[in-house]
Amino acid sequence: GENVEQHPSTLSVQEGDSAVIKCTYSDSASNYFPWYKQELGKRPQLIIDIRSNVGEKKDQRIAVTLNKTAKHFSLHITETQPEDSAVYFCAASNDYKLSFGAGTTVTVRA
Amino acid sequence: NAGVTQTPKFQVLKTGQSMTLQCAQDMNHEYMSWYRQDPGMGLRLIHYSVGAGITDQGEVPNGYNVSRSTTEDFPLRLLSAAPSQTSVYFCASSQSTSGNLEQYFGPGTRLTVT
Repeated sequence: GENVEQHPSTLSVQEGDSAVIKCTYSDSASNYFPWYKQELGKRPQLIIDIRSNVGEKKDQRIAVTLNKTAKHFSLHITETQPEDSAVYFCAASNDYKLSFGAGTTVTVRA
Repeated sequence: NAGVTQTPKFQVLKTGQSMTLQCAQDMNHEYMSWYRQDPGMGLRLIHYSVGAGITDQGEVPNGYNVSRSTTEDFPLRLLSAAPSQTSVYFCASSQSTSGNLEQYFGPGTRLTVT
């Protein structure tokens, strides 16, 4: 099955700085790579996703890049704000079954 | 639309008891799934269904049963609860097994087995 590794497990950044989270996957058949944000005690919510036929996707302060050859993808958050503090999960899927990384706890320091 | 709903929100069981976690969605989604979330381990897939009458095992299916008699409902049954099943359980659904793959999560059920 698919194995997704996520780094780092914790990330502390100064407000206004950038945050980068990296994930690797093992199954070359995976073709869908979503990122979820989970606030304490809440459900995971999709913030951005990318398909295997696209190398980069951006939505305001959030961007995701995908390197299919190396089997890794990354989340970039620019101009971080206190409300960006949360746990972020990457995932990989071969159409419907999602395999998640272990999560990154992001803390934005004011 | 209520989206994905789960009941109960909290549950405490004794070892050996059985119970059913309820999940329903009103978006006419084909795909539904159950995950458990444990500290430091992300979300792990328990069971999933690609349509009414069709279910399959995920990564950690042991100790759990599911059925999908309607498009809307996907209950998760714990046959004989064990302390190792203490976790937060999330149900999710998506529109299709291809095309729009975004999965929508329910609010979760926090289960404690003593």
